[in-house]
Amino acid sequence: DTEVTQTPKHLVMGMTNKKSLKCEQHMGHRAMYWYKQKAKKPPELMFVYSYEKLSINESVPSRFSPECPNSSLLNLHLHALQPEDSALYLCASSHTQGDTQYFGPGTRLTVL
Amino acid sequence: GQQLNQSPQSMFIQEGEDVSMNCTSSSIFNTWLWYKQDPGEGPVLLIALYKAGELTSNGRLTAQFGITRKDSFLNISASIPSDVGIYFCAGQLGNQFYFGTGTSLTVIP
Repeated sequence: DTEVTQTPKHLVMGMTNKKSLKCEQHMGHRAMYWYKQKAKKPPELMFVYSYEKLSINESVPSRFSPECPNSSLLNLHLHALQPEDSALYLCASSHTQGDTQYFGPGTRLTVL
Repeated sequence: GQQLNQSPQSMFIQEGEDVSMNCTSSSIFNTWLWYKQDPGEGPVLLIALYKAGELTSNGRLTAQFGITRKDSFLNISASIPSDVGIYFCAGQLGNQFYFGTGTSLTVIP
């Protein structure tokens, strides 16, 4: 089983809203990732968690706040986003950091 | 970040034709991955390569880890309409993967 699940599939939010994206995997992976992807572009790394600790933050604005409550779950809390933050947000996991990554189906986020 | 160049940027081919694409970099990578992404979906892992010179197949797909470790190649034989999508390579350096710019494939029935 190489499944990573993400909810919701689609999200529309205003610039003053607070929302969260969720990601889950049950493969026993100890590294989890958040990526942002614009249309026809490669995924851009945002955050990496390794053994539930934040390992990499690619200078992401503080309006994006990641959280890893346990080894199976990864959240991305969103607050005061801008329209340019509209994108496909992808979660991925790997056995450990630097190993082959498996992606979830993504959350299509639209900020109005 | 690391720069991985994929070529071609886009391809329009007839159903049944073979496809070749590649990914090159100025850096040496330890692992190469190939993903396919359908519109609005997450990338799906096609093939993983872990050793220089390695040649691995997955059905009609064949990928190779370049001997210099700076490049990788993906071939698709006898293309079918469901091969349509964007193909991304990813190279591993240290504890991170870096993605290529993508090759958009259109298959004309």
